[in-house]
Amino acid sequence: EAQVTQNPRYLITVTGKKLTVTCSQNMNHEYMSWYRQDPGLGLRQIYYSMNVEVTDKGDVPEGYKVSRKEKRNFPLILESPSPNQTSLYFCASRERQGWSRAFFGQGTRLTVV
Amino acid sequence: KNQVEQSPQSLIILEGKNCTLQCNYTVSPFSNLRWYKQDTGRGPVSLTIMTFSENTKSNGRYTATLDADTKQSSLHITASQLSDSASYICVVSAGTGANNLFFGTGTRLTVIP
Repeated sequence: EAQVTQNPRYLITVTGKKLTVTCSQNMNHEYMSWYRQDPGLGLRQIYYSMNVEVTDKGDVPEGYKVSRKEKRNFPLILESPSPNQTSLYFCASRERQGWSRAFFGQGTRLTVV
Repeated sequence: KNQVEQSPQSLIILEGKNCTLQCNYTVSPFSNLRWYKQDTGRGPVSLTIMTFSENTKSNGRYTATLDADTKQSSLHITASQLSDSASYICVVSAGTGANNLFFGTGTRLTVIP
């Protein structure tokens, strides 16, 4: 079954404690992205990757890091989380063709206190 | 500036009734437009894709329209069911690349018995 798997689904952490949200896809997609979703703002792209070792900033990259060492994995790293990073996060993958649809993970609800 | 606007923000309808959701965009160059359905607590799932040459496309009780001249799209839901309660997100693709998706903020649809 084609899927994007994120872990964990829920996370409560304290300000400044480094965390990693994992994302893995089993469709051999080249493109992967991280989004955050906040009420009234919709989905905003944090970082994206066009292939292994190729990553770039999206619209709201401050406070986040990513890596793409393998094609299937695209972890999101928060080195020093702050309360304004409390949000719902989604990982997505898709083929490189412009018409391809994005497959989203189930989401990670992060709360930073 | 590339933008996607959706209306209404929220909508409540009785089970069995029809409804229409609107999407206006100013994305250029236009590649395609997708409607996604996002159930509460889950990632968005693609419902349908509209390309430049298509005016209407149906997927079961969902019918999407596209007017490329006025840069408007609509999603019509017929004979609504309780399971249609979700957020519906309009996503416009501009050209190629992993950062070429522009998201609307969604319409929250609630179907009541």
